[in-house]
Amino acid sequence: NAGVTQTPKFQVLKTGQSMTLQCAQDMNHEYMSWYRQDPGMGLRLIHYSVGAGITDQGEVPNGYNVSRSTTEDFPLRLLSAAPSQTSVYFCASSPRRVPTGGNGYTFGSGTRLTVV
Amino acid sequence: AQSVTQPDIHITVSEGASLELRCNYSYGATPYLFWYVQSPGQGLQLLLKYFSGDTLVQGIKGFEAEFKRSQSSFNLRKPSVHWSDAAEYFCAVGPYNNNDMRFGAGTRLTVKP
Repeated sequence: NAGVTQTPKFQVLKTGQSMTLQCAQDMNHEYMSWYRQDPGMGLRLIHYSVGAGITDQGEVPNGYNVSRSTTEDFPLRLLSAAPSQTSVYFCASSPRRVPTGGNGYTFGSGTRLTVV
Repeated sequence: AQSVTQPDIHITVSEGASLELRCNYSYGATPYLFWYVQSPGQGLQLLLKYFSGDTLVQGIKGFEAEFKRSQSSFNLRKPSVHWSDAAEYFCAVGPYNNNDMRFGAGTRLTVKP
């Protein structure tokens, strides 16, 4: 089925470890983004990309890196995990940055990350 | 400053009762407005959206929302709630600076039998 696929679904890291959260979409969407969801905070934008080779920072980018080498993939890297990065991470895609048409953003099912 | 406010963190309603979830925003013009629903362990699914035109919009699963410019609100309603509507609901508004969409903090809905 078409959509946004995130892996892994769950991950536990020790402080200081690094890891990559994977995100892939098969809808040929130009826009992809990463959000973190924390209780009482809603979804906050970490990084986004408007096309292959183009990325930019969102509201809470510190501690995260991204790259966009293909239209389909948009991995999120934690270089040195901290307990403050414990959260649920969502990847989203859309034909355009502001989803003025269609069905808005398409979200993945999320990655629950715990940093101990 | 918070651009999107969902005043109710948690709401409990009885099955069959009506529902209204509130969303208020700060914005200089007419924004794009969305409501998403998140079931436990799932991603967000679009319920409905407003861009322009008729201020009462219909969505999936029997939901509707009304854009009220004078109140800067976009409240979500359903006449009769079903147990399967138990979920978390997010309002999203934009575009803001750099064309970002902003999400509210969410309202968790519990449905009593």
